[in-house]
Amino acid sequence: QKEVEQNSGPLSVPEGAIASLNCTYSDRGSQSFFWYRQYSGKSPELIMFIYSNGDKEDGRFTAQLNKASQYVSLLIRDSQPSDSATYLCAVNARITGGGNKLTFGTGTQLKVEL
Amino acid sequence: ETGVTQTPRHLVMGMTNKKSLKCEQHLGHNAMYWYKQSAKKPLELMFVYNFKEQTENNSVPSRFSPECPNSSHLFLHLHTLQPEDSALYLCASSQRSSVQNTGELFFGEGSRLTVL
Repeated sequence: QKEVEQNSGPLSVPEGAIASLNCTYSDRGSQSFFWYRQYSGKSPELIMFIYSNGDKEDGRFTAQLNKASQYVSLLIRDSQPSDSATYLCAVNARITGGGNKLTFGTGTQLKVEL
Repeated sequence: ETGVTQTPRHLVMGMTNKKSLKCEQHLGHNAMYWYKQSAKKPLELMFVYNFKEQTENNSVPSRFSPECPNSSHLFLHLHTLQPEDSALYLCASSQRSSVQNTGELFFGEGSRLTVL
């Protein structure tokens, strides 16, 4: 079983629609969860993180976490062509001695069509 | 300069060559990382350094040799690589403090490595 699982897509949505990206993880002890966006040929950049069950909103983005179901999702409202990218789900485990061990999924490619 | 910078951005090397990747962070962070990104695969953590000390080696082959002389610089020394090592190598940094640490990683633009 993959540690962090995502549908690779591509997920195609029309401009202005809601894009829903999903992620499941296997480690029940995971404490923090991240969504990174990666444009083609660029490095990943953080767009949302969430620690607690429920929803967390930031502008057009909403992260949702359900620890009982080991499920985290990202909703993008009013999708724009500039949102077209690969979205990486990541789960954090602290390392003894310091630092973080982020385990990433393979990413979901989102295409927002005009 | 700001953020995390990596050099070179592109590198082509033969299997018998020795080369190094360099990473520098200007964010005042304490932890630095090497990740490998291959097509259709998740980002793979290779090494973690915290205050110059290695805290994670994710079973990486010895042909990859990291070096962290201080909290701002990280190197990845490469020798006798294989064609399957061709990938994008990403450096990242983060803040270690247990109070401030969100776990967020700040990535460099990556070094695209091709092994012939």
